[in-house]
Amino acid sequence: EAGVAQSPRYKIIEKRQSVAFWCNPISGHATLYWYQQILGQGPKLLIQFQNNGVVDDSQLPKDRFSAERLKGVDSTLKIQPAKLEDSAVYLCASSALGGDTEAFFGQGTRLTVV
Amino acid sequence: AQKITQTQPGMFVQEKEAVTLDCTYDTSDQSYGLFWYKQPSSGEMIFLIYQGSYDEQNATEGRYSLNFQKARKSANLVISASQLGDSAMYFCAMREASNTGTASKLTFGTGTRLQVTL
Repeated sequence: EAGVAQSPRYKIIEKRQSVAFWCNPISGHATLYWYQQILGQGPKLLIQFQNNGVVDDSQLPKDRFSAERLKGVDSTLKIQPAKLEDSAVYLCASSALGGDTEAFFGQGTRLTVV
Repeated sequence: AQKITQTQPGMFVQEKEAVTLDCTYDTSDQSYGLFWYKQPSSGEMIFLIYQGSYDEQNATEGRYSLNFQKARKSANLVISASQLGDSAMYFCAMREASNTGTASKLTFGTGTRLQVTL
């Protein structure tokens, strides 16, 4: 079974530029998460989708971050404009429905804003 | 609100020894799940073990076991017979039950860096 795919793996941009990340979840997984992991910290949820609907985006900085999952499969996360404090690893994860099911993570995108 | 606390920023253990990584949690829900993930330096998050709040037995997966003490709200990870490849960050996470048919979010602790030495 193919895992969660993310691209790109690494990205370096200047502040005030825009950037987009892509995620393809495990086939059949209805739930998709985007997490932000700042160096030395645990992952923090940015947004959660179920199919193509948003379940939780309470910690998404909506003035600069946006995300979509138009057909309930792939998802993109965009930052515009980027700030220095956005430097982090952005992790995409997916899970089947059910509270006892683990989330499977992609390898992440390491973003550096200079 | 959910909260996960991992009080050990770093731990050392000798190869072949056992080690316990601490995790305490706070929730007002009766139904929830507890997870442990391993994050090597390569960055991916690897699922290790799961414990449901209603499970009476402690979960075990190979060399990993979860010491679940519900009254104390603790879910410590025990790694037996440590190996050099166990060196990594370890995260405890919790998911509360959802009554809307969706899978609710995983809330993570700050992690513990484990270093296995010869």
